Amino acid sequence: AQSVTQPDIHITVSEGASLELRCNYSYGATPYLFWYVQSPGQGLQLLLKYFSGDTLVQGIKGFEAEFKRSQSSFNLRKPSVHWSDAAEYFCAVAPQNTGFQKLVFGTGTRLLVSP
Amino acid sequence: DAMVIQNPRYQVTQFGKPVTLSCSQTLNHNVMYWYQQKSSQAPKLLFHYYDKDFNNEADTPDNFQSRRPNTSFCFLDIRSPGLGDAAMYLCATSRAGMGSYQPQHFGDGTRLSIL
Repeated sequence: AQSVTQPDIHITVSEGASLELRCNYSYGATPYLFWYVQSPGQGLQLLLKYFSGDTLVQGIKGFEAEFKRSQSSFNLRKPSVHWSDAAEYFCAVAPQNTGFQKLVFGTGTRLLVSP
Repeated sequence: DAMVIQNPRYQVTQFGKPVTLSCSQTLNHNVMYWYQQKSSQAPKLLFHYYDKDFNNEADTPDNFQSRRPNTSFCFLDIRSPGLGDAAMYLCATSRAGMGSYQPQHFGDGTRLSIL
């Protein structure tokens, strides 16, 4: 069965420091990979996605993620965190097809940003 | 801006009293999804419409129903809400069958409280 693991439930980072959020997946083949961000009381916003090609993917708000097939990982990074980045971050996978895609989400990582 | 709009943002209902949540979209997407997200958990897919075809997830309780009268609107009906149904309900849309993957766009959600 497909699954997504985000091992860190909470992470606290100082403003201006770098950030890495971990994501590992279990899937029969290479899926589509996503990172979504959710601010309190809001819906999910797509940060970035990986379909194929270059394994380093750039997203919005200065985020990037690197796909490592050998490690089944898709970790999210940001070189300098801003206070407004405090939110819940979800990694998700979906099968590679252009029809209906069932997103499988990880349990999320809550990012806290300290002054 | 084209978007996914959910109404109301907050809904309070009484135990056992039917409630309907609304979702509309201006993206002209042919797939619409309903997710349930409980506190500190990942979104869980309840069902989706692919065009007019309704697709229920196997573990979605019978208490939850959906209607899609046209492309733009989709409703979530909870026939007899229980305390365990208190959650954030997220609507999402995507365009499928276009020959390339289209990611899901989420609304801001409706937070449902049960008295």
